[in-house]
Amino acid sequence: ETGVTQTPRHLVMGMTNKKSLKCEQHLGHNAMYWYKQSAKKPLELMFVYNFKEQTENNSVPSRFSPECPNSSHLFLHLHTLQPEDSALYLCASSQVSAKVGETQYFGPGTRLLVL
Amino acid sequence: AQSVTQLDSQVPVFEEAPVELRCNYSSSVSVYLFWYVQYPNQGLQLLLKYLSGSTLVKGINGFEAEFNKSQTSFHLRKPSVHISDTAEYFCAVSVKTSYDKVIFGPGTSLSVIP
Repeated sequence: ETGVTQTPRHLVMGMTNKKSLKCEQHLGHNAMYWYKQSAKKPLELMFVYNFKEQTENNSVPSRFSPECPNSSHLFLHLHTLQPEDSALYLCASSQVSAKVGETQYFGPGTRLLVL
Repeated sequence: AQSVTQLDSQVPVFEEAPVELRCNYSSSVSVYLFWYVQYPNQGLQLLLKYLSGSTLVKGINGFEAEFNKSQTSFHLRKPSVHISDTAEYFCAVSVKTSYDKVIFGPGTSLSVIP
């Protein structure tokens, strides 16, 4: 596989469930991101990891817990979510360098529905 | 603080007609500008970006954008659209911090009418 992959593509969960989203990048990048995309709203950056270290937590509720075991894999652990958390969750990766304006490469997203 | 405005939330256009999607930004520092496209049921992919140099930037699929510093704009254009251009288009600015922090606009939905 190439690029950025995400599993599952669709997920329905109850508010008491625990689930995890997985992202894998095959591009040799060293930065990974989680975004939330809700209808009629701009993309919201949730978390950023550089070389497996979290460098940004954009005031995300603790019911979302990220994990980055290595530069190629990123997880988003979900527990006790609310219906308003229903959205498309996008993973992205990029190369960290001294250059500016690095392109971010996105996965296809996980469509999450919380009942 | 940096921000991005896309004034048109929806743009319908007939096939083979020209289109312009508008983007304005605000920033107190040097910015780097992007246009990303999101086709249905897919993630975002880069159309083009401006880092420096020529203010007219050419991207994939026949799109181009012009950076206008005085008007703080980065409008996207295509002289003749195709049905396959139907998608959501996002303008974004990037600011260098410890990583490339990218701020996205709210998006413009382009619908190409046959």
